[in-house]
Amino acid sequence: EAQVTQNPRYLITVTGKKLTVTCSQNMNHEYMSWYRQDPGLGLRQIYYSMNVEVTDKGDVPEGYKVSRKEKRNFPLILESPSPNQTSLYFCASSFGVGGYGYTFGSGTRLTVV
Amino acid sequence: KQEVTQIPAALSVPEGENLVLNCSFTDSAIYNLQWFRQDPGKGLTSLLLIQSSQREQTSGRLNASLDKSSGRSTLYIAASQPGDSATYLCAPQTGGFKTIFGAGTRLFVKA
Repeated sequence: EAQVTQNPRYLITVTGKKLTVTCSQNMNHEYMSWYRQDPGLGLRQIYYSMNVEVTDKGDVPEGYKVSRKEKRNFPLILESPSPNQTSLYFCASSFGVGGYGYTFGSGTRLTVV
Repeated sequence: KQEVTQIPAALSVPEGENLVLNCSFTDSAIYNLQWFRQDPGKGLTSLLLIQSSQREQTSGRLNASLDKSSGRSTLYIAASQPGDSATYLCAPQTGGFKTIFGAGTRLFVKA
């Protein structure tokens, strides 16, 4: 089944403890992206990647890192999480710009205390 | 910078009604526009994708139209059902792999 898989689905952590949220797609998509969703603010793009080893900042990249060493994986890294990074995170992928839509993962609900 | 507005923000209708959700965007240089459905606390499910060269797309009871020059898209839902209750998001895709999402229309269909 074609899908984007995020792990974990739920995570509670403490301030400052490094964490990684994984994202993997099995559709050979070139483009992958991370979003966070907060009440009243909607979906905001954190980082995106146009291909292996090519990444760029979205609208809210502060406090996050990403890497794209393989085409299928695009992990989101929080080196020192803070409570304001408590949010619902989504990974998405697409073949690319143009006639291709996005496929989203099921989301990761992160709570930083 | 692309700005996306969805009207209304919330909508409550009795079952069986036909309804229209509106999406407007400021940058008309889009590659495509996608409509999504999101259930509370869940992921986004793609409903329809309209290419920039297309005027509309249909899937079952859903019909989405696109007027790129005026920066508007509408999602038409025929014969609404309680199972249609969800938040509907529109997302125009512009160059540079930027996709900006609207804040959504929260729909509640009463049985």
